[in-house]
Amino acid sequence: AQSVTQLDSHVSVSEGTPVLLRCNYSSSYSPSLFWYVQHPNKGLQLLLKYTSAATLVKGINGFEAEFKKSETSFHLTKPSAHMSDAAEYFCVVSNTGGFKTIFGAGTRLFVKA
Amino acid sequence: DSGVTQTPKHLITATGQRVTLRCSPRSGDLSVYWYQQSLDQGLQFLIQYYNGEERAKGNILERFSAQQFPDLHSELNLSSLELGDSALYFCASSDRSRRGYNEQFFGPGTRLTVL
Repeated sequence: AQSVTQLDSHVSVSEGTPVLLRCNYSSSYSPSLFWYVQHPNKGLQLLLKYTSAATLVKGINGFEAEFKKSETSFHLTKPSAHMSDAAEYFCVVSNTGGFKTIFGAGTRLFVKA
Repeated sequence: DSGVTQTPKHLITATGQRVTLRCSPRSGDLSVYWYQQSLDQGLQFLIQYYNGEERAKGNILERFSAQQFPDLHSELNLSSLELGDSALYFCASSDRSRRGYNEQFFGPGTRLTVL
């Protein structure tokens, strides 16, 4: 069985400070893991993906995530937040073939000036 | 632009009515997914089609149905609409032929308002 838990429903940071959005997953096989971002009234956009290659994955807009199998985590980070990063972020786990894709509940990121 | 198109962008209708939402996947993508996003329920997976066949079902109500046509576009039919069906409905597509790459590309969504 698969599941994904985003540990924070809301995260607030100041512009220029680091961002950490936490995601834990469970899967009975090697999963594919993704982070998506959704800006208000927009569709979801893929930020980055892990598919069993390098454990540190770099995405768009300066985001990266590290796959830690021992901790079953896939946390999303960014060294310096920008106002345009304010959005909702979804952690997603999927099996090969995409027949079982589970979305986390989402974390809303607020960025203060 | 993800390459996934959805029509219409907005839909306003009354309770008890029936509507059809349309989705065209990215060129070459065989899988289509439908999601419902509302304030109280979050993002809910409804159903997935692969090359015309239903492959996975999520929290889809019996009043809702979907299909994928030979040209791979998909339609989501919502009937006997209730106020609680007001939501953003997203379509996504993916290319399952590349092993391990199950990323989904999302359309801009259809905002349904039931009055």
